[in-house]
Amino acid sequence: KAGVTQTPRYLIKTRGQQVTLSCSPISGHRSVSWYQQTPGQGLQFLFEYFSETQRNKGNFPGRFSGRQFSNSRSEMNVSTLELGDSALYLCASSLGRFTYEQYFGPGTRLTVT
Amino acid sequence: KQEVTQIPAALSVPEGENLVLNCSFTDSAIYNLQWFRQDPGKGLTSLLLIQSSQREQTSGRLNASLDKSSGRSTLYIAASQPGDSATYLCAVRPGRDDKIIFGKGTRLHILP
Repeated sequence: KAGVTQTPRYLIKTRGQQVTLSCSPISGHRSVSWYQQTPGQGLQFLFEYFSETQRNKGNFPGRFSGRQFSNSRSEMNVSTLELGDSALYLCASSLGRFTYEQYFGPGTRLTVT
Repeated sequence: KQEVTQIPAALSVPEGENLVLNCSFTDSAIYNLQWFRQDPGKGLTSLLLIQSSQREQTSGRLNASLDKSSGRSTLYIAASQPGDSATYLCAVRPGRDDKIIFGKGTRLHILP
C-alpha cells in the first residue's frame, strides 16, 4: 500500500506570495491532518479534515486555510507569505476511526525569502 | 489543557546499551498515545501506538508503556544501534476527535 505523499517536496517563495501544498493520504484513510514544524516551535497542529469537513483547527492566523476533496486528498493554502512561514509542513493521514493511528508524509520544505 | 513534555531534550549513549525515553502528560484522560521517530529533515515514522486501555506495546527491540494515573509513558530501546539515532516524539490524543498534542522530542545519538 502506498504511503502518504506530499507535493511539492521543496518550495521557495517570496514574501507576499501565496502557496498551495498538496497531500494524498493512504488509500482508504479519510482523515488528513496538517502540521507546521520549525526548530523553535516544534510541531504545531494546523488543522484536521475528515470526510471533507474540518474537524479541528489550531491557533494559526486566517492566512492558513485548507480543504479536503471527496477522494480524501487535501490541500493547504498560505496567503500573503511571511518570513516566519518558512518551515517543514507535514501531512498525516489516518482511518479516522478505530485506532486513529497517524501516518506521516515526507513533508514539504517551504522557504520564504 | 493537556501538555506533553519530553525530558531530556537530547541524549547520547554508547552502542549496545539499553535506554529509556520519557514522556509525561498533564491530564490522565487520554484516548491514545503514539511514539514516532524523525530523521533530520524527514517526516515522522510511527513506532508504537498505545490505546488508553492498554499498558504496553512491543515491536522488535522497542517497548512502550503507559501509566495514565501518573501521566507517564516510556519508550524502551534494547541493544541500541547507530541506526537508532534520531529524534523521538511522543504524541497524545486527548479524546477520540481531539487534535493530537506533541512533545518537543528527545534527540538521541548512539555512539558507535
